[in-house]
Amino acid sequence: KAGVTQTPRYLIKTRGQQVTLSCSPISGHRSVSWYQQTPGQGLQFLFEYFSETQRNKGNFPGRFSGRQFSNSRSEMNVSTLELGDSALYLCASSLAALAGNTGELFFGEGSRLTVL
Amino acid sequence: DAKTTQPPSMDCAEGRAANLPCNHSTISGNEYVYWYRQIHSQGPQYIIHGLKNNETNEMASLIITEDRKSSTLILPHATLRDTAVYYCIVRGTYNNNDMRFGAGTRLTVKP
Repeated sequence: KAGVTQTPRYLIKTRGQQVTLSCSPISGHRSVSWYQQTPGQGLQFLFEYFSETQRNKGNFPGRFSGRQFSNSRSEMNVSTLELGDSALYLCASSLAALAGNTGELFFGEGSRLTVL
Repeated sequence: DAKTTQPPSMDCAEGRAANLPCNHSTISGNEYVYWYRQIHSQGPQYIIHGLKNNETNEMASLIITEDRKSSTLILPHATLRDTAVYYCIVRGTYNNNDMRFGAGTRLTVKP
């Protein structure tokens, strides 16, 4: 069974540009969540999608957005990039039910973004 | 903010048991304790989770105190490949995958 796949694995952008990252969850997983990891702030929750709807959002500015498609694949977008957006962006999927979820998150290898 | 407190680092000799503590004194009755680990530059990997009973799987054991205010992750026979940052997370069972990661414990297994 294939794991969570994130593309691209590495990318370099300059300030002011925008970037789109993609995540393909494990087959059958309907929940996809995104995290940002930096040396200073650690792992921080960005947002979660379930059945194409955002159902949780972390404390990030509106420049960070995402969406989920009907096949559960998800994308996140960061507009007007800043130097501080340089980070490892991790996607995780799970077999989330509407309620009573106790399932674990399965993480991808991440997309490492460098903003120059 | 993370609801857990872990020591920043620990060392363990190869082949010995690694016991990683975690304090979660504000845990609610319906919240689970999860453990993940992250090996350098990889995505976090699920290890184990529990509610109030002790749990064991092929990777580790989880011991939760009776008052549920703390827990210990046990790697019974640590290997060099177990060197990683270990995260203890408290999480509810509701429809929420907002995992609040703290700083974790950096475990170094030494030969």
